[in-house]
Amino acid sequence: QVTLRESGPALVKPTQTLTLTCTFSGFSFDTAGMCVGWIRQPPGKALEWLARIDWDDDKYYTTSLKSRLAISRDISKNQVVLSLTDVDPVDTATYFCARIRATTGNYFDHWGQGIMVTVSS
Amino acid sequence: EIVLTQSPGTLSLSPGETATLSCRASQTNNYLAWYQQKPGQAPRLLIYGASRRASGIPDRFSGSGSGTDFTLTISRLEPEDFAVYYCQQYARTPYTFGQGTKLEIK
Repeated sequence: QVTLRESGPALVKPTQTLTLTCTFSGFSFDTAGMCVGWIRQPPGKALEWLARIDWDDDKYYTTSLKSRLAISRDISKNQVVLSLTDVDPVDTATYFCARIRATTGNYFDHWGQGIMVTVSS
Repeated sequence: EIVLTQSPGTLSLSPGETATLSCRASQTNNYLAWYQQKPGQAPRLLIYGASRRASGIPDRFSGSGSGTDFTLTISRLEPEDFAVYYCQQYARTPYTFGQGTKLEIK
């Protein structure tokens, strides 16, 4: 059974760095084609893809936030970490992590429940 | 960047009716997925490859289209189908989503 769970702070101050962790089970980066992505959703708005990290440690970022994002992984812990620097109130959103099986297509087949993050002083 | 435009923004129908949701892409691609999202929940994958149903998805849900025009059809609407639906292209990064169609009970 594939599961993903996001964790991190619920409240972050402007200009700080937001660090979120995705802990997953039911699959492994030891398997070719396994990837984890991050997507966010501001309150009442649409989904926005942020970043992806692959089984071979390739990384991809959305263009508009590339300079502020960093994605990494800890294979031994089955975790993926997303960092977003210099946060602003517009970064307030629910952040989801989700799995991609690149061997079948780069769509998100399993999602975490999401974590709501508010940026406010 | 591939822009996806969904229509209509809101669709009001009754249980038992058929819903037709549209997604138009700014560039040709056939790597399109559809997701359902209910309030307070994560999106759920319904359709990938424009027309392939994901595991466990009822056959009331069907996807069609190619190139730049795609459709999600939901037949015989059930009460649990009323939600927001998003399309997503995964042909190339940055992956992009449409703005969503809200399917509400009439």
